Amino acid sequence: EAGVAQSPRYKIIEKRQSVAFWCNPISGHATLYWYQQILGQGPKLLIQFQNNGVVDDSQLPKDRFSAERLKGVDSTLKIQPAKLEDSAVYLCASSFLAGGISGANVLTFGAGSRLTVL
Amino acid sequence: KQEVTQIPAALSVPEGENLVLNCSFTDSAIYNLQWFRQDPGKGLTSLLLIQSSQREQTSGRLNASLDKSSGRSTLYIAASQPGDSATYLCAVRGDSSYKLIFGSGTRLLVRP
Repeated sequence: EAGVAQSPRYKIIEKRQSVAFWCNPISGHATLYWYQQILGQGPKLLIQFQNNGVVDDSQLPKDRFSAERLKGVDSTLKIQPAKLEDSAVYLCASSFLAGGISGANVLTFGAGSRLTVL
Repeated sequence: KQEVTQIPAALSVPEGENLVLNCSFTDSAIYNLQWFRQDPGKGLTSLLLIQSSQREQTSGRLNASLDKSSGRSTLYIAASQPGDSATYLCAVRGDSSYKLIFGSGTRLLVRP
């Protein structure tokens, strides 16, 4: 089974520039998550999709961050304009379900996209 | 608001030692708790998942316990090996929200 694919792995930009990250979840996984992990901290959920609908985006800074999941498969996370504090690893994860059966809501994470904002 | 704390932040032990990692959470109304492993430059790998009705889960040399009433979980690693060196994160999923709340992790180094 192929894992969660993310690109790019690394990105360096200057503040006020824009950046986009792409995620391809495991085939058949209806739920997709974007997490932000700042160095030395645990991941923080930015947005959760169920198929192509948003379940939770309460911690997404909507003035600069946007995310979409067209056709309920791939997803893109965009930051525009970037700030210094956006430097972090952006992790995408997917699961078969958002809840319910224990095995079905285990998340599989991608390797992450490391963003450095100068 | 759920908060998850992991102590210690870093731990260095000699190979072969048994060790315990701690995780505490402020709201006992959880659906389940998961332990993850994170290697440098890589994503998170799920190690063990404990449902709120369970007391412990075991996988190989790993044993995770859950005491929901006291808001604590421990991850026990038996006979540690250098390959166990990584950051270990615990995360809780609330009853009313399926959002995972993560601790900041314990960075483990097992010295040969």
